Amino acid sequence: QKEVEQNSGPLSVPEGAIASLNCTYSDRGSQSFFWYRQYSGKSPELIMFIYSNGDKEDGRFTAQLNKASQYVSLLIRDSQPSDSATYLCAVTYGGATNKLIFGTGTLLAVQP
Amino acid sequence: AAGVIQSPRHLIKEKRETATLKCYPIPRHDTVYWYQQGPGQDPQFLISFYEKMQSDKGSIPDRFSAQQFSDYHSELNMSSLELGDSALYFCASSSTRTIAGLTDTQYFGPGTRLTVL
Repeated sequence: QKEVEQNSGPLSVPEGAIASLNCTYSDRGSQSFFWYRQYSGKSPELIMFIYSNGDKEDGRFTAQLNKASQYVSLLIRDSQPSDSATYLCAVTYGGATNKLIFGTGTLLAVQP
Repeated sequence: AAGVIQSPRHLIKEKRETATLKCYPIPRHDTVYWYQQGPGQDPQFLISFYEKMQSDKGSIPDRFSAQQFSDYHSELNMSSLELGDSALYFCASSSTRTIAGLTDTQYFGPGTRLTVL
């Protein structure tokens, strides 16, 4: 079992809809949580980070963290075709190491 | 804003050859990370450096070595290349000299696509 789990998709949503991406993690010691967007053949691009339980909003993006359920999600409002990409959930444990542990990513397809 | 720079962007090598990948972190970032991403896979952590010292090591083969220099740039040296080493190699950087709670936010470079024939 991977430490960070995501539904691989593809998740298909119509343009203008809300896309909901989910991620679960196994290690309760996980401290920081990140969402990266990756277009095919390109590098991961940081979308959001969240450290505390609750919601964090940045423009069309909202990250939600529930440490008790070991669950983190990303909502994308007013989805655009340009949002079509793979969304990678990643966690770090903090302390001596800040390496990112990635999920396998969810492929999002926004249909015009 | 300045980003992470990686060179070369593309590299083609034969089996058993050697390759050197370079990474220039964002100015004033003191930590560098290397990740390997195979086709259809998520990025896998290889190794990291903080203030020119190795800070963590992941699933990096013994054939690979890396270091961080006095100007904070880093190089990943790969020897006896194998077909399975063909992948995207990303460098990321972060800074510990930021406000509390943001010290592990990593920004990725464009990557080096290594093809081993």
